[in-house]
Amino acid sequence: GQQLNQSPQSMFIQEGEDVSMNCTSSSIFNTWLWYKQEPGEGPVLLIALYKAGELTSNGRLTAQFGITRKDSFLNISASIPSDVGIYFCAGQPPDSNYQLIWGAGTKLIIKP
Amino acid sequence: DVKVTQSSRYLVKRTGEKVFLECVQDMDHENMFWYRQDPGLGLRLIYFSYDVKMKEKGDIPEGYSVSREKKERFSLILESASTNQTSMYLCASSSGTASNQPQHFGDGTRLSIL
Repeated sequence: GQQLNQSPQSMFIQEGEDVSMNCTSSSIFNTWLWYKQEPGEGPVLLIALYKAGELTSNGRLTAQFGITRKDSFLNISASIPSDVGIYFCAGQPPDSNYQLIWGAGTKLIIKP
Repeated sequence: DVKVTQSSRYLVKRTGEKVFLECVQDMDHENMFWYRQDPGLGLRLIYFSYDVKMKEKGDIPEGYSVSREKKERFSLILESASTNQTSMYLCASSSGTASNQPQHFGDGTRLSIL
């Protein structure tokens, strides 16, 4: 079935650094979603993207829906300790109204 | 705010037991989902339901069944639990199609099968 490649798998960064992660697929998607999961909690939606080329910000977070509809990236500027967690991308295939395809996640760790 | 509540945060059961995981949402959402989450594998869809009494298999339905008798409640059933079903289970709900209404998640149930 359709798969998403999310990279990097994990990131060790210093507080204040910028962060970039991305997801790619061999097939197109109609929607890209970015979620964050903190320890002991379920994923929480950060940004939703609905059109190819769309660039959307949520505070220090910025995400883009790739022009080819096969990729998306998420950037975090000036990271702070509470950014720690696992970030997931998810995409909706054209042939599905309900199902999402999920990336394996990027674990963000901030070095003290 | 959307509230998705999973009945247990932690659960320990024995091999062969029948296990029920319960999920309730308070926003009158049509769609509900059960995922399992394992390290390095992301979220994998077990079953979903787009209406009361309706259910569809996801990517890994083997060993599981579901029940949706009321709109707000979606139950995941492990008919005969096995150790390879030890995992984090996440319930989600959404209104409409994924293209305009993202899924909202509960806090998860960490299930251990001994």
